[in-house]
Order: sequence, then structure tokens, then C-alpha cells
Amino acid sequence: GNSVTQMEGPVTLSEEAFLTINCTYTATGYPSLFWYVQYPGEGLQLLLKATKADDKGSNKGFEATYRKETTSFHLEKGSVQVSDSAVYFCALSDRGNTPLVFGKGTRLSVIA
Amino acid sequence: EADIYQTPRYLVIGTGKKITLECSQTMGHDKMYWYQQDPGMELHLIHYSYGVNSTEKGDLSSESTVSRIRTEHFPLTLESARPSHTSQYLCASSEYGNNQPQHFGDGTRLSIL
Repeated sequence: GNSVTQMEGPVTLSEEAFLTINCTYTATGYPSLFWYVQYPGEGLQLLLKATKADDKGSNKGFEATYRKETTSFHLEKGSVQVSDSAVYFCALSDRGNTPLVFGKGTRLSVIA
Repeated sequence: EADIYQTPRYLVIGTGKKITLECSQTMGHDKMYWYQQDPGMELHLIHYSYGVNSTEKGDLSSESTVSRIRTEHFPLTLESARPSHTSQYLCASSEYGNNQPQHFGDGTRLSIL
């Protein structure tokens, strides 16, 4: 079946540090891939997405590239801010119109 | 901007009570979902719907039930609340079709005493 594996947190970084959160997936066919962010006390918000191999999704300084050869969709940001402290979820959607499959989430804390 | 609304945001209630968590969306989405989120933040799909009069159980066994009488409304009901039901419940919706992102409400944090 389909699955998503994210690096375990928590991840603690200093402000302006480089961020990478690893995400790999297992899927039949060619899924679409998503990153969601959850700020404290809120629901999940779509951060970025990519629908086919080699696509790069980007938003708010975050980027992720759909790598079919390594079945990965790692999230990166060049310079994190305290306001980026949140939980990040990687997810996939297969072509069968079924609900999204989410990873377990990675908590990021950025300290000033 | 939140086009999907959950009420109440917080609920503390005693064991044995009947509870209904409300979820409404104004985007005309056919698909709606309920997730239970544990303290470790992992999401567990408990129910979903592909449209009016359609409901399906998710991956996590749940004692709750859902109904979908109107497109915009997808309430979740616990007939007799227990302390094991204490959790955060998130509602989401999406357009019908492949590759559509889900839009989430802000959640209901439920505590059963």
C-alpha cells in the first residue's frame, strides 16, 4: 500500500539556519506530493505541492522537488525564522481518488 | 482564510454524554474527512465522505459515527463519550478528483473527564 516516511523530530534550529526535512514515499503509480504546515492551535495548511516527477513546489521560501528516482520530496528552506516553528507533514495522493496519506509529522522549533 | 469551520473549538465534558462535533464548509467540496490527532501529532483518518449520503470508515477504528445529509455539513457524533475519546479532531474537505489538496478546519480539542 501507499505510505509516507518523514524524518523524526523534533528538529531545533537557530534563526537563519538551513532547514531540510526528509520525506520518502512508497506508492503504486505516480502520486502527487504535498507538504502541509500546522501552527500551534490551528489546523493544517497546504504549504506546497508537486504533481509530477521533477516538479518543484515552492511557497514562503520553502521548496521541495519531486524525485521519482529516489522516491523523495524533501522540504528545504534556506534561512528559517522563529515564525516557521510548527509541525510539518508530508503527504501523497495516488491516482485512485482516495484520501491523502500523511506522514507522522516533524516538529520544528526555531530559536532566536 | 478559513472556509471550513469547526465548532466547538474546545469541549470539556463528562463520561457518558452524547457529543456532536460540527464541521461546515462553504467551498462546495464533495469530499470531506475527519481525522483524530494524537499528542504525538500523527493524524489518523477515522471517517470520510465522497458526497451526500456517502460515508466510509477510515484507517483507525472509531466508536464515532458521521452523517452527510448536506454537501456543506459533516457532523461527527459520539453516542457515549469515554476518557479514551480525549483528543484533537480535525475536519477537512477537498474537491472531487485526483491530486486535490485537502483544506482543514482549526480543530476541536475534546477532553472527556
